Amino acid sequence: EAGVAQSPRYKIIEKRQSVAFWCNPISGHATLYWYQQILGQGPKLLIQFQNNGVVDDSQLPKDRFSAERLKGVDSTLKIQPAKLEDSAVYLCASSLSPSSYTDTQYFGPGTRLTVL
Amino acid sequence: QKEVEQNSGPLSVPEGAIASLNCTYSDRVSQSFFWYRQYSGKSPELIMSIYSNGDKEDGRFTAQLNKASQYVSLLIRDSQPSDSATYLCAGDQTGANNLFFGTGTRLTVIP
Repeated sequence: EAGVAQSPRYKIIEKRQSVAFWCNPISGHATLYWYQQILGQGPKLLIQFQNNGVVDDSQLPKDRFSAERLKGVDSTLKIQPAKLEDSAVYLCASSLSPSSYTDTQYFGPGTRLTVL
Repeated sequence: QKEVEQNSGPLSVPEGAIASLNCTYSDRVSQSFFWYRQYSGKSPELIMSIYSNGDKEDGRFTAQLNKASQYVSLLIRDSQPSDSATYLCAGDQTGANNLFFGTGTRLTVIP
């Protein structure tokens, strides 16, 4: 079974530029998550989708971050304009269903963003 | 109080010893707890989950949960150099299937 795919793996941009990340979850997984992991910290949830609807985006900086999950499969996360403090690894994860609290989240390899 | 707190370490143990990793959590965290291992530059991978009070064993790993004390731990027996990684404790947010992560404990197993 293929895992969670993300691209690009690395991205370097200058502040105030825009950037987009792509995620393809495990086939059949209804729930998709985007996390931000700053160096030395644990992942922080940015947004959670169930199919193509947003379940939780309470920690998403909506003035500069946006995300969508068209057709309930792939997802993109965009930052516009980027700030220095956005330098982090952006992790995508998916789970089969949110109906059970026992559901396991599977992580993709992440995109390492450096903002100069 | 942060939702999930861990000692950041680093924790160093000799090969073959028991490594003990600890985590506490707040009232915002509910009933499911997870231990993820993260190698440097890699994504987190799940190694243990625990939902009930008591111990849960899987090979060299034992997770312990004490809901009264809001405490969860991970024991790694017969530690190997390949166990050297950052271990993330996570708990699910009450009423939702998303996770709060701790900052992670860096473990080094010395050959």
